[in-house]
Amino acid sequence: NAGVTQTPKFQVLKTGQSMTLQCAQDMNHNSMYWYRQDPGMGLRLIYYSASEGTTDKGEVPNGYNVSRLNKREFSLRLESAAPSQTSVYFCASSVLAERNEQFFGPGTRLTVL
Amino acid sequence: GQQLNQSPQSMFIQEGEDVSMNCTSSSIFNTWLWYKQDPGEGPVLLIALYKAGELTSNGRLTAQFGITRKDSFLNISASIPSDVGIYFCAGKISGNTPLVFGKGTRLSVIA
Repeated sequence: NAGVTQTPKFQVLKTGQSMTLQCAQDMNHNSMYWYRQDPGMGLRLIYYSASEGTTDKGEVPNGYNVSRLNKREFSLRLESAAPSQTSVYFCASSVLAERNEQFFGPGTRLTVL
Repeated sequence: GQQLNQSPQSMFIQEGEDVSMNCTSSSIFNTWLWYKQDPGEGPVLLIALYKAGELTSNGRLTAQFGITRKDSFLNISASIPSDVGIYFCAGKISGNTPLVFGKGTRLSVIA
């Protein structure tokens, strides 16, 4: 039982490049989330998926897209990376959106040059 | 969006001391959560609170859901070196709203 897994762990991009961050959970959770964490800041919600087939914007969605591929997987795509997107990205999941106990993956450290 | 004020921002304590930190909001929350983040890792859930006045313990950690529903407190007793990390509070206004996180309290323990 791996919990929430994220790939890659580290990534360096040039401005304008695109990439997809992958997230998978094996806890049979319905809801999944993407956050970004910047120095001195808390976690800010980018997008979430309350259940398979639905996605909603969070606090900072600009410059990102998401896909809930199936119940297990939730990917985050940067279509044209910008230096302001340099951050640590965390994926999380919870049993239901109403159940607030979210479980986090180990994070992806992204640097955009 | 909603803001959570978490304090203190950082603290340095001696091993064996007790620690207190808190989180306040301008809105009434129906859920408070406390997470710990070790360097290079994702946050790990410590305690979840769902009722005003609720007091819940997890080992040496105790958290309380404030009776005004606008604040929460986390206490760590007899701190040890592995308590080092960043502690985040998180809250939720209702079932349909996203979780909001505080900016964290960075705890350093001096042996």
